[in-house]
Amino acid sequence: DAGITQSPRHKVTETGTPVTLRCHQTENHRYMYWYRQDPGHGLRLIHYSYGVKDTDKGEVSDGYSVSRSKTEDFLLTLESATSSQTSVYFCAISGTDNEKLFFGSGTQLSVL
Amino acid sequence: DQQVKQNSPSLSVQEGRISILNCDYTNSMFDYFLWYKKYPAEGPTFLISISSIKDKNEDGRFTVFLNKSAKHLSLHIVPSQPGDSAVYFCAASPLGQKFYFGTGTSLTVIP
Repeated sequence: DAGITQSPRHKVTETGTPVTLRCHQTENHRYMYWYRQDPGHGLRLIHYSYGVKDTDKGEVSDGYSVSRSKTEDFLLTLESATSSQTSVYFCAISGTDNEKLFFGSGTQLSVL
Repeated sequence: DQQVKQNSPSLSVQEGRISILNCDYTNSMFDYFLWYKKYPAEGPTFLISISSIKDKNEDGRFTVFLNKSAKHLSLHIVPSQPGDSAVYFCAASPLGQKFYFGTGTSLTVIP
């Protein structure tokens, strides 16, 4: 398994509260991604990073921000969680050739 | 707008028979295509990929076919086994850039 750790694995929070999900990798890979998985929508890209402090938006970035201050850590923040952000969130990493993604085990987030 | 589409949400196949999963894409800039397999409560795992310079790639029981003119790819699993029961996602990318995924097809292989 690629060395990817997502934390927490499960979280329940209330509408309007801030939430931060963490992705940690031990592979020293350049690229890191955040996806969300929802029924009927598959996997949709939220944000991605192509290096330290280099990030860009994906398909569904509204309501989310990210930060990457170190190669190994990519944080996803929901500034004010909404019920529509209830989802399973996956972090993925990719090496320099960016030919293949390796996924973490996911974070199940419930916003009540 | 979904750039990668999997129009069959589910598929059931008898053990030992062929499973064919289909995927269509709309962006002509895509030049690299992948299939991922996902079990419940786990992250997706890479299965097989194909570059746009090829029309077929084979790895054991898994073969991916690419028809660029139709913007269509398919994954063939022969023979299908009960352990292949999972959700399969196709993905596409302009190489070196973002990966776009389909909505997934849930495959059930019946013993």
